[in-house]
Amino acid sequence: EAQVTQNPRYLITVTGKKLTVTCSQNMNHEYMSWYRQDPGLGLRQIYYSMNVEVTDKGDVPEGYKVSRKEKRNFPLILESPSPNQTSLYFCASSGFWAGEDTQYFGPGTRLTVL
Amino acid sequence: GNSVTQMEGPVTLSEEAFLTINCTYTATGYPSLFWYVQYPGEGLQLLLKATKADDKGSNKGFEATYRKETTSFHLEKGSVQVSDSAVYFCALILNSGYSTLTFGKGTMLLVSP
Repeated sequence: EAQVTQNPRYLITVTGKKLTVTCSQNMNHEYMSWYRQDPGLGLRQIYYSMNVEVTDKGDVPEGYKVSRKEKRNFPLILESPSPNQTSLYFCASSGFWAGEDTQYFGPGTRLTVL
Repeated sequence: GNSVTQMEGPVTLSEEAFLTINCTYTATGYPSLFWYVQYPGEGLQLLLKATKADDKGSNKGFEATYRKETTSFHLEKGSVQVSDSAVYFCALILNSGYSTLTFGKGTMLLVSP
């Protein structure tokens, strides 16, 4: 089954404790992206990657890091989480070319930073 | 830049009512247009898409027509069901070269029996 998986689904942590949210896709997609969803703000892109070793900032990259060492994986790293990073996070992937640009989303990770 | 504007919600309807959720866009190039749906507790999934002017996307009884002259992509359904209760996102991506998806803020739909 074609899918994007994220782990963990729920996470409660404390300020300053480094964490990683994993994202993996099995569709051989070149493009992967992270979004955060907040009430009244919709989805905002954090980082994206057009292929292995190619990443770029989205609209709200501050406080986040990403890496793309393998095509299927795109982890999101919060090195020193703060309460304003409490949010619902989604990973997504798609093909690169027009016509393959439908994005497939993971189930989401709800993060609470105390 | 690119932007998508949706009507604010929540939209509250009774079962079998007619649904319209408005979506307008601005784009620096020639976009493809999408509607995504997010059911409670789930991620987003594609509902329908249209890639050029006058195209009509349709799925699960929902329809939207790409109107270049009015830069709009309004979502419609003739008879909503309780199971349609969800958040609906309009989005665009440019066709000319690769670009990232731009979302509207989402519209919550609540359907009561």
